[in-house]
Amino acid sequence: GDSVTQMEGPVTLSEEAFLTINCTYTATGYPSLFWYVQYPGEGLQLLLKATKADDKGSNKGFEATYRKETTSFHLEKGSVQVSDSAVYFCALSDSAGGGNKLTFGTGTQLKVEL
Amino acid sequence: DTAVSQTPKYLVTQMGNDKSIKCEQNLGHDTMYWYKQDSKKFLKIMFSYNNKELIINETVPNRFSPKSPDKAHLNLHINSLELGDSAVYFCASYGGETQYFGPGTRLLVL
Repeated sequence: GDSVTQMEGPVTLSEEAFLTINCTYTATGYPSLFWYVQYPGEGLQLLLKATKADDKGSNKGFEATYRKETTSFHLEKGSVQVSDSAVYFCALSDSAGGGNKLTFGTGTQLKVEL
Repeated sequence: DTAVSQTPKYLVTQMGNDKSIKCEQNLGHDTMYWYKQDSKKFLKIMFSYNNKELIINETVPNRFSPKSPDKAHLNLHINSLELGDSAVYFCASYGGETQYFGPGTRLLVL
């Protein structure tokens, strides 16, 4: 079945540092890929998405490129802020069988310190 | 306006009780979901409904019964609550190739 693997956290960075959170996936078809963010005590918010190979999703300074050859969708940000502290989830959407269910990675907690 | 809303936000109850969580979306979407997030933050789909019809049921115990009175609502009823049911339950709706999540219901079973 489909699966998503993310790097384990927590990841602790200083403000203005460069961020990479690795994500790789296994899927039988051609999934869409997503990054969701969960701030403390809140629900999940869509951060960015890519629906086909070589697409780049971007939002709020974050970006990720859908790499079919390496089955990856790594999240990057050039300069993190304290307000970026949250849990980040990589996910894929599988429309096989209907329903467009999301399969999530285990989440990566990011802590940004001054 | 909140796109996907859930009530209650917090739910504390005793083992063996029956409880319900309500979800409403005002996005006009046909498809809605329930997800469970465990204490380690792992998220797993439980159910999906499309226009009031069940389309995904991911081997969830039959103590959990979703009900969709109309396509804007998807409620989750849980019978005979167990300690292991303690989790955060998220409702979501689907449109434009994206799922939109509610704020979550934090369930604690004592």
